[in-house]
Amino acid sequence: NAGVTQTPKFQVLKTGQSMTLQCAQDMNHEYMSWYRQDPGMGLRLIHYSVGAGITDQGEVPNGYNVSRSTTEDFPLRLLSAAPSQTSVYFCASSYSPESNQPQHFGDGTRLSIL
Amino acid sequence: AQSVAQPEDQVNVAEGNPLTVKCTYSVSGNPYLFWYVQYPNRGLQFLLKYITGDNLVKGSYGFEAEFNKSQTSFHLKKPSALVSDSALYFCAVRDSSGGSYIPTFGRGTSLIVHP
Repeated sequence: NAGVTQTPKFQVLKTGQSMTLQCAQDMNHEYMSWYRQDPGMGLRLIHYSVGAGITDQGEVPNGYNVSRSTTEDFPLRLLSAAPSQTSVYFCASSYSPESNQPQHFGDGTRLSIL
Repeated sequence: AQSVAQPEDQVNVAEGNPLTVKCTYSVSGNPYLFWYVQYPNRGLQFLLKYITGDNLVKGSYGFEAEFNKSQTSFHLKKPSALVSDSALYFCAVRDSSGGSYIPTFGRGTSLIVHP
């Protein structure tokens, strides 16, 4: 039972480069989301999706794009990496947005922008 | 709007002593409340939740939390701390009454259990 799988685990980029952080879940969850975690800031929501084909912005969406073509996958794209995007990124999923079920988190992608 | 406050950045406790990690919340309607734990280099793991019913909720690893509606609090507790409980703990709230279904997380409390 894989749960939520994030790849890569670590990545170093140069300013201006683009990349995609992958997230996949095998629990048939409708709701998926991306957070960034920075020291002293807790978790901040970047983008979320309530189902295939439906995405919306969270608290800190600038510089990031998402798409949801399947229920399982929810990739996060950095369009032009900036040092301020150095962070740990977590993907999470839950059964449905209206449910009272907890979220399942991946183990994160640690991203450094030079 | 909903919000969560974890007033302590860090809690220190000796092994074997009881521990409390504090959380207060604000929602328009009735809350769904959650506690998660994060170990180094790992994602958040669910510990316990309050939906409705008994104010004392029991969860994983011997943790429990007490829902107090009048004080809008949901403090995490454990009767006897272990060194292995040292981790980062997050409280989260969601309004069950409609509106936004996106949970709001606190900033986290680092629990350090000393041998």
